[in-house]
Amino acid sequence: GQNIDQPTEMTATEGAIVQINCTYQTSGFNGLFWYQQHAGEAPTFLSYNVLDGLEEKGRFSSFLSRSKGYSYLLLKELQMKDSASYLCAVRGVMNTGFQKLVFGTGTRLLVSP
Amino acid sequence: DTEVTQTPKHLVMGMTNKKSLKCEQHMGHRAMYWYKQKAKKPPELMFVYSYEKLSINESVPSRFSPECPNSSLLNLHLHALQPEDSALYLCASSQASSGSGEQFFGPGTRLTVL
Repeated sequence: GQNIDQPTEMTATEGAIVQINCTYQTSGFNGLFWYQQHAGEAPTFLSYNVLDGLEEKGRFSSFLSRSKGYSYLLLKELQMKDSASYLCAVRGVMNTGFQKLVFGTGTRLLVSP
Repeated sequence: DTEVTQTPKHLVMGMTNKKSLKCEQHMGHRAMYWYKQKAKKPPELMFVYSYEKLSINESVPSRFSPECPNSSLLNLHLHALQPEDSALYLCASSQASSGSGEQFFGPGTRLTVL
């Protein structure tokens, strides 16, 4: 089975840096994704890690340690529009050989002026 | 075209109605997905189609019936739903159900069952 943990809620100030952690336990790990979801909207892809290390993409970076079952999403120079839920999702391999994405419960980030 | 479209945006139906949700993508993706998302919860996988064949059914009740008429289209037929089925239904697609490609999500259909 798969178990994914994220903090429920975080608050930060405009212009600051925030780190959202995700820990997971899974069988047949084949990648970890971060999605952003604004209320009432669809999730949008932010980043993908399958090997250990840091992936940087503009103001967003994501880190993965497979041995520790740990990832984080780093958001720099926070803007008000970054207020959203951030979903950590792990792709694992099922007994059938098919792969599926399992989402964590999401972290609601509130950015204040 | 990097878009997944879904219709309708909103749907209200009674428990005896039959309705369908539609999803379309023109990115050449061969895997398509249905997710259900309740308020303040993460998306939960319902079905996966890979190369137009149903590859995963996450023990979804038979009142939800998926259909993949061709590689660009995915339907979800609804019949005799319950009020607790009210949720946001998200369609997604990816290059294949394996590999590194991310899933692209449609805007969702907000379903209310009365």
